Amino acid sequence: GAVVSQHPSRVICKSGTSVKIECRSLDFQATTMFWYRQFPKKSLMLMATSNEGSKATYEQGVEKDKFLINHASLTLSTLTVTSAHPEDSSFYICSASSTVLSYEQYFGPGTRLTVT
Amino acid sequence: GQNIDQPTEMTATEGAIVQINCTYQTSGFNGLFWYQQHAGEAPTFLSYNVLDGLEEKGRFSSFLSRSKGYSYLLLKELQMKDSASYLCAVRDRTGGFKTIFGAGTRLFVKA
Repeated sequence: GAVVSQHPSRVICKSGTSVKIECRSLDFQATTMFWYRQFPKKSLMLMATSNEGSKATYEQGVEKDKFLINHASLTLSTLTVTSAHPEDSSFYICSASSTVLSYEQYFGPGTRLTVT
Repeated sequence: GQNIDQPTEMTATEGAIVQINCTYQTSGFNGLFWYQQHAGEAPTFLSYNVLDGLEEKGRFSSFLSRSKGYSYLLLKELQMKDSASYLCAVRDRTGGFKTIFGAGTRLFVKA
């Protein structure tokens, strides 16, 4: 089956610093990647959709200058949380699909971000 | 916009059957998913329905009625390991085939 990895799995950073999270599709080419965040006991909230080689489409209320998304290749997308604050602490999950029409969406294992 | 409703919590007994309902409203319906998520882990895919009817896969079945904006996930022969959150998600073709998740139903399976 298709495998998506995320790195790091856990990260603790100080307030004001930036953190980069990588999402990789290991055995397929991901034309579309999605970034979600999830607060404890809450559902996944879609942050943005990124297509390889083009700018990400952000959901309403998500600051694109704070959450920088780069989808430079068909196997890698990165999410950078800039000038992180404690309220950015969350579980960030990426998912990938091979084509825009495919219903299959493969999730990464998630990254637990804690901002102190 | 989209709106997805499902119960917050349910409790059931090991060996029993439980049905988790989901209602949705969306303008460009393109399929409904059920995912299972254990605490601290990413969701795992359970089922996908795009046409009306029942899809059966082992102990899990999922039903869809597009005209009613309604789906349910049926879990049979419950096991303790089935204790998890179950997420109903709808794929919407407007705005680029996004998948929007409901808040999830936390299922507690007791002995």
